Amino acid sequence: NAGVTQTPKFQVLKTGQSMTLQCAQDMNHEYMSWYRQDPGMGLRLIHYSVGAGITDQGEVPNGYNVSRSTTEDFPLRLLSAAPSQTSVYFCASSYDGPRNEQFFGPGTRLTVL
Amino acid sequence: GQQLNQSPQSMFIQEGEDVSMNCTSSSIFNTWLWYKQEPGEGPVLLIALYKAGELTSNGRLTAQFGITRKDSFLNISASIPSDVGIYFCAGLMGGSQGNLIFGKGTKLSVKP
Repeated sequence: NAGVTQTPKFQVLKTGQSMTLQCAQDMNHEYMSWYRQDPGMGLRLIHYSVGAGITDQGEVPNGYNVSRSTTEDFPLRLLSAAPSQTSVYFCASSYDGPRNEQFFGPGTRLTVL
Repeated sequence: GQQLNQSPQSMFIQEGEDVSMNCTSSSIFNTWLWYKQEPGEGPVLLIALYKAGELTSNGRLTAQFGITRKDSFLNISASIPSDVGIYFCAGLMGGSQGNLIFGKGTKLSVKP
């Protein structure tokens, strides 16, 4: 089991560029989520999905899009990157929701210049 | 949005000492979770609490779900150097499938 994998590990973008952060899990988990972590801010939920074809907004969804076409994959898209999106991004999954243990990926460190 | 107030922000302790940290909120939560994050990694779940008054242990860690459902506490007994990291509380409101709210974390440093 690879668990939750994220690519890339590091990324530098210029303002206005677009990119997709990849997240995949091989545990057959229904629930997947994206968080961003800023210094001294803890983790904040961006988007989440309770199953393939279903997504919903979290606490800070603006500027991000997601889709869930398969159980395994949950990509996060930045359509037009802004410096305020400089952060560390974590993807997580759990069997049936955030009440139970979420397994986190290793994170993607994104810098927007 | 909802906020969790986690304290202290940081702690510098001697190996062998006990540690206490807590989270409080003005809102009621139905689930409290405690995660630990080590440098360069994602958080890992330590303890999950689902009922007001619940007291749960995981080795040297003990956490409690406050009676008012607005707070939670985590204690670490006899700290060791590998306890170093950032500890996060997280709360989930009733009926919510998604919005897990995290505290800002307590950074623990342990001096051997």
